[in-house]
Amino acid sequence: GENVEQHPSTLSVQEGDSAVIKCTYSDSASNYFPWYKQELGKGPQLIIDIRSNVGEKKDQRIAVTLNKTAKHFSLHITETQPEDSAVYFCAASVTGNQFYFGTGTSLTVIP
Amino acid sequence: DVKVTQSSRYLVKRTGEKVFLECVQDMDHENMFWYRQDPGLGLRLIYFSYDVKMKEKGDIPEGYSVSREKKERFSLILESASTNQTSMYLCASSLLQKLKLGASTDTQYFGPGTRLTVL
Repeated sequence: GENVEQHPSTLSVQEGDSAVIKCTYSDSASNYFPWYKQELGKGPQLIIDIRSNVGEKKDQRIAVTLNKTAKHFSLHITETQPEDSAVYFCAASVTGNQFYFGTGTSLTVIP
Repeated sequence: DVKVTQSSRYLVKRTGEKVFLECVQDMDHENMFWYRQDPGLGLRLIYFSYDVKMKEKGDIPEGYSVSREKKERFSLILESASTNQTSMYLCASSLLQKLKLGASTDTQYFGPGTRLTVL
């Protein structure tokens, strides 16, 4: 089955700096890669996703890049703000119905 | 907006009790999922369902069962709760999407979670 690894497990950045979270996956058949943000006491919320037919996608301060050859994808947050502090999860979908999640990155943005 | 609701935010039960966790979605999604979330382990899939009365085992189904009698509702059942089932339980739903080239992918939408403590 698919195996998704996520790094780092914790990340602290100064407000205004950039944050990068990286994930690798094992199954080359994976074709959909969402990123979720989970705030304290809440369920994960989709923040951005990318499909295997594109290499990069951007939405305001958030971007995701995908390298299919190396089987890794990354989340980039620029100009970080305190409200970006949360746990971020990556995921990979092989069949389109079943998802495999990374173990999460706890991001702290220091004012 | 997609809305996924879970019947309880916090639940405390005793060992051996039968526990029902309910999940309802209002977007007519075919797929529904139950995960448990534990520190350092991320989200692990317990069961999922493609349609009414259909269910499939995920990665950790032992000790759990599910029921999907109506499209909008997916229930997780702990027949005899044990302390190692203390966890955060997350429900999700998704709509199968067909892309132009025929591929299909899903976007999952999560509920707020139920934090279950088994004493």
